[in-house]
Amino acid sequence: DSGVTQTPKHLITATGQRVTLRCSPRSGDLSVYWYQQSLDQGLQFLIQYYNGEERAKGNILERFSAQQFPDLHSELNLSSLELGDSALYFCASSASRDRDTQYFGPGTRLTVL
Amino acid sequence: AQSVSQHNHHVILSEAASLELGCNYSYGGTVNLFWYVQYPGQHLQLLLKYFSGDPLVKGIKGFEAEFIKSKFSFNLRKPSVQWSDTAEYFCAVNARDSNYQLIWGAGTKLIIKP
Repeated sequence: DSGVTQTPKHLITATGQRVTLRCSPRSGDLSVYWYQQSLDQGLQFLIQYYNGEERAKGNILERFSAQQFPDLHSELNLSSLELGDSALYFCASSASRDRDTQYFGPGTRLTVL
Repeated sequence: AQSVSQHNHHVILSEAASLELGCNYSYGGTVNLFWYVQYPGQHLQLLLKYFSGDPLVKGIKGFEAEFIKSKFSFNLRKPSVQWSDTAEYFCAVNARDSNYQLIWGAGTKLIIKP
């Protein structure tokens, strides 16, 4: 157990819908990262937050957005869902003193029908 | 742009065989290197990492990796694999000036035959 929690574990929804994925980092970690893992694209970095502020963006679609709240948990919002958004979404966190090492949550498996 | 390539997508070995999984990266600057493992149905776990110093790093569960700067490589090794090593292995890199975001290889699925 890495100490990073994600909810829900599984999510099944329809095209065009909007969902919110939640992540709680390890205690004390200020950095949160979101990744998408799909069969055709592999693991891709989406976005990073540090202490509530966005720090880096990767291959995140405009339909997707995220935020990190004052209690440091983060949410990834996916809207106007398409079949191709079906994937495993991972959250990771890292400590301020070792921001290079990321610890991953169990992921949320999103299925868009 | 940075990229990471893992040479083998699937590897099948018998128990007690030796393992070497290849990883090469492309980036001209200073990098940190990682191997993560994903057991079936589980989340990614850090196996080992290289930041600086001794290029031969030891990780958990008997794994080690060697950083060869001249070859831009960071190959993962284990002298004798076990059935429980069946998993997918990912090599990842971040550049020291990259805001810590990881660039991932495509992964290698390792199957150990009992």
